[in-house]
Amino acid sequence: AQSVAQPEDQVNVAEGNPLTVKCTYSVSGNPYLFWYVQYPNRGLQFLLKYITGDNLVKGSYGFEAEFNKSQTSFHLKKPSALVSDSALYFCAVSSNQAGTALIFGKGTTLSVSS
Amino acid sequence: DGGITQSPKYLFRKEGQNVTLSCEQNLNHDAMYWYRQDPGQGLRLIYYSQIVNDFQKGDIAEGYSVSREKKESFPLTVTSAQKNPTAFYLCASKDRYSNQPQHFGDGTRLSIL
Repeated sequence: AQSVAQPEDQVNVAEGNPLTVKCTYSVSGNPYLFWYVQYPNRGLQFLLKYITGDNLVKGSYGFEAEFNKSQTSFHLKKPSALVSDSALYFCAVSSNQAGTALIFGKGTTLSVSS
Repeated sequence: DGGITQSPKYLFRKEGQNVTLSCEQNLNHDAMYWYRQDPGQGLRLIYYSQIVNDFQKGDIAEGYSVSREKKESFPLTVTSAQKNPTAFYLCASKDRYSNQPQHFGDGTRLSIL
């Protein structure tokens, strides 16, 4: 069965410091991996995805993620956090079959202090 | 601008009442999805549809029903059988055969009166 784990409910960082939001997954076959961000009372906004190719994926707003097949991880990173990055972050996975629904992690709240 | 529109933004349900949440997309996407979001539980899949007139149950379909009569529309009915309907409901869509991400609407917050 497919699953996603985000081991931290909350991550706190100071503005200007690097941030990491962790995600591990379990899926049959090759995974499609996604990161989304959610602001209060809004839908999810797509940040980045890994389908195939380079293990380091760059996305929106300066975020990047590293795919590690041996550790089945897809951690979200940013070199220098902004207060405006404070939000709820979701990691999601699907198998590489057409139309397969996404499986989401429980989310990690990122809080960036000034 | 293409996108997904969910309405209403806030909805209140009385005991024993069925309510319907609207989801409309103009992205020409084949596949549409309904998720339920509860604090600390992430998003859980209720129903999804990959083509018109066809849909499948997700992980938590009990107490919900859907229809897919048009490509653009995928309404969700929360029936009186759903005993704990208070949640944030999110609709999403994507092109069925691509690896592009799902696009999400801005959600409907359902509460019990």
